[in-house]
Amino acid sequence: NAGVTQTPKFRILKIGQSMTLQCTQDMNHNYMYWYRQDPGMGLKLIYYSVGAGITDKGEVPNGYNVSRSTTEDFPLRLELAAPSQTSVYFCASKLSGNSYEQYFGPGTRLTVT
Amino acid sequence: AQSVTQLGSHVSVSEGALVLLRCNYSSSVPPYLFWYVQYPNQGLQLLLKYTSAATLVKGINGFEAEFKKSETSFHLTKPSAHMSDAAEYFCAVSGAGGNEKLTFGTGTRLTIIP
Repeated sequence: NAGVTQTPKFRILKIGQSMTLQCTQDMNHNYMYWYRQDPGMGLKLIYYSVGAGITDKGEVPNGYNVSRSTTEDFPLRLELAAPSQTSVYFCASKLSGNSYEQYFGPGTRLTVT
Repeated sequence: AQSVTQLGSHVSVSEGALVLLRCNYSSSVPPYLFWYVQYPNQGLQLLLKYTSAATLVKGINGFEAEFKKSETSFHLTKPSAHMSDAAEYFCAVSGAGGNEKLTFGTGTRLTIIP
């Protein structure tokens, strides 16, 4: 199993551009999450999904959108990128509501200038 | 609501010395507590978890943590530091039950001095 994969690894965006961060897991996990990690701030939850077709906002959803059309994929869309969205983005998944361990991808480092 | 406070954003210990990383939590419900480790340029990996069973929890790589309700603490320890332990460590809390979301602390960067 590849686990949780994220693409791209790095990206530089200009202010106002849009992009989609890809996340795929091959463990048949129902729950998936998007976090952002800023220096000295820990991880903040952006959006999460408990299954295909079901998504919900986390702590910091503004400026982002998600969709979950399949169990495997959970893309994160940035519309009108802003410098405040410069961060490292992590996708994570876990099997079900009764499991506790989240499995993390390697991250995408995004810079908006 | 839950929150986590990690005391010390940077900790340095000598190789072979005791590692102690501090975590205090606040929770309005019985908490589940976690320690994650992040090696440079990688995602987070679960070290250990407390889910209301034994209060002393053993994890991977020789780490352990003790849940102390009276002190609202869940400190991470390792008797003898190894160079490979250099990483960032995150404490996290959730409510009881797997449906609850994780709230992370701000992290502690551990440096090992040869």
